[in-house]
Amino acid sequence: RKEVEQDPGPFNVPEGATVAFNCTYSNSASQSFFWYRQDCRKEPKLLMSVYSSGNEDGRFTAQLNRASQYISLLIRDSKLSDSATYLCVVGYNNNDMRFGAGTRLTVKP
Amino acid sequence: NAGVTQTPKFRILKIGQSMTLQCTQDMNHNYMYWYRQDPGMGLKLIYYSVGAGITDKGEVPNGYNVSRSTTEDFPLRLELAAPSQTSVYFCASSYESALGYTFGSGTRLTVV
Repeated sequence: RKEVEQDPGPFNVPEGATVAFNCTYSNSASQSFFWYRQDCRKEPKLLMSVYSSGNEDGRFTAQLNRASQYISLLIRDSKLSDSATYLCVVGYNNNDMRFGAGTRLTVKP
Repeated sequence: NAGVTQTPKFRILKIGQSMTLQCTQDMNHNYMYWYRQDPGMGLKLIYYSVGAGITDKGEVPNGYNVSRSTTEDFPLRLELAAPSQTSVYFCASSYESALGYTFGSGTRLTVV
């Protein structure tokens, strides 16, 4: 079993749709959680950290469920520019971040 | 601020050749990392450093070496290139790891 698992997709959604991704992790001792965005042939960029209480940044909402060991990312009112691969990242300690393989999203006009 | 700068962007190596991937950051970050990304796989940590003079192995260190003589620079050395090292390499830095990383633009390496 992979340490961090994501549905690879692709998720193909129309503009304006709401889309949600889940990510599961295997190590219950995980301490930090993030979502990164990676455009094709580019570097990953931090989208948001995920806090226990959940957090929102504009159209993006992240949730953490420690009991079930998953995190989620919700994107509302999808834009064409949201098309990218979304990487789930789970930190076991300060220097051991495990990356999921990513979920590909395509937003179509 | 330039952020994290990696050179070269692309490189083709022959089996057995050696090379150094350069990484420099101008954000005064203590933490620096080297990852590789293979198709369909998550990024894998090769080596990391928590400050000048301190380096440690990550998940996939075999075939690589690093040094950290200054806060700014964290070069990655491949001594005897093998086809299995064909990958995209990303350098990253952070002020604190819990705050997330800033990545360089990557080096696409092909070993033939």
